[in-house]
Amino acid sequence: EVLLVQSGAEVKKPGESLKLSCKGSGYSFSNHWIGWVRQMPGKGLEWMGIIYPGDSDTRYSPSFQGQVTFSADKSINTAYLQWSSLKASDTAMYYCARHTHSSFDLWGRGTLVTVSS
Amino acid sequence: EIVLTQSPGTLSLSPGERATLSCRASQSVSSNYLAWYQQKPGQAPRLLIYAASSRATGIPDRFSGSGSGTDFTLTISRLEPEDFAVYYCQQYGSLSLLTFGGGTKVEIK
Repeated sequence: EVLLVQSGAEVKKPGESLKLSCKGSGYSFSNHWIGWVRQMPGKGLEWMGIIYPGDSDTRYSPSFQGQVTFSADKSINTAYLQWSSLKASDTAMYYCARHTHSSFDLWGRGTLVTVSS
Repeated sequence: EIVLTQSPGTLSLSPGERATLSCRASQSVSSNYLAWYQQKPGQAPRLLIYAASSRATGIPDRFSGSGSGTDFTLTISRLEPEDFAVYYCQQYGSLSLLTFGGGTKVEIK
């Protein structure tokens, strides 16, 4: 079965670091871009950026450049999204999704991140 | 950055009716790289349409996409109970220039 499995929900304090994971299976993970999408509570979808697991080529949305870091380990079919210092405004659901035909055809179930003191 | 404006914000319709959703871009979308997604509460988005008018795998033919340039439309020919959800359009200018619209909620009248 073709799947993207994301890591579980997180509750963090402001200033803490965090790394989310997204593991692909059932397809050639290294050969498809993986995008990250934020959805704040009750709001729409925001594209954060994209990474190519084959060579870790990365593009960031201007809105998220410098705020987050993407990485990937193709040996274990996993992409990552990380923060070095969380803010309360990072509270959101985060989705990873496979990029194909200029769209996202396969989505993970999302990881809910709550940042609160 | 290309801005996508979806209208209306909310569409109130009854099952069996036709739904017409609009997505307007601030600049021409290259090669019609425009996609539509459906999102139900508590679920991840699901790809419905890519390249403006191609249905994704497993999507019923009551969903259709049309348009070019700056004006795109998602049509649901006859609403089924499971179609009441939020719909988003998304454009792809390049791997560094990808944006989503603000969404249209289709609710039961």
